[in-house]
Amino acid sequence: DAKTTQPTSMDCAEGRAANLPCNHSTISGNEYVYWYRQIHSQGPQYIIHGLKNNETNEMASLIITEDRKSSTLILPHATLRDTAVYYCIVRGLTGGTSYGKLTFGQGTILTVHP
Amino acid sequence: GAVVSQHPSWVICKSGTSVKIECRSLDFQATTMFWYRQFPKQSLMLMATSNEGSKATYEQGVEKDKFLINHASLTLSTLTVTSAHPEDSSFYICSARSTGTEAFFGQGTRLTVV
Repeated sequence: DAKTTQPTSMDCAEGRAANLPCNHSTISGNEYVYWYRQIHSQGPQYIIHGLKNNETNEMASLIITEDRKSSTLILPHATLRDTAVYYCIVRGLTGGTSYGKLTFGQGTILTVHP
Repeated sequence: GAVVSQHPSWVICKSGTSVKIECRSLDFQATTMFWYRQFPKQSLMLMATSNEGSKATYEQGVEKDKFLINHASLTLSTLTVTSAHPEDSSFYICSARSTGTEAFFGQGTRLTVV
């Protein structure tokens, strides 16, 4: 699976949009971009994933550049409860017994302040 | 999303004893379960992948005789830390998936060995 690069930490004011970048310059054609987050002392929570089109769900939006070498997770109206470590993970969907296996990097610590 | 439950949420045990952690998929049948370990201020590290009815596949550097994994049913996997020592103190997290779905995470188990 392709390696990702994320900023170590970011701050965001409550109510504002949080834009979390991720670089994945070695991504291959069949690899998806996944975002998870981990609130302190909890298990990771799935946020969103995409292949090449922009995606939106009730939690966030995912913007993937045309060359797919980078992406941005957008939390449109950040709240204090969005403070967490956000992980950008690139993974193929080739199936097999390792499907679902996720390799976590260090992620971005997002702090939402009042 | 699907619900994955871990038990216990936290446990304290004496050095040299064994501890069993359960991971259950509550509303789906999990063909594959993953066990991760997370030390303070570090990211999740995959320990092993288990498929129902077969032996677990351990990541390099993880002792299979120390971390016993059993995935005897489609809704339950257990991780037993045998002869636990203080350096085994960590946050253990499981994730589970069924065919064609994403992996969903449990809430984690905080193990403290004294």
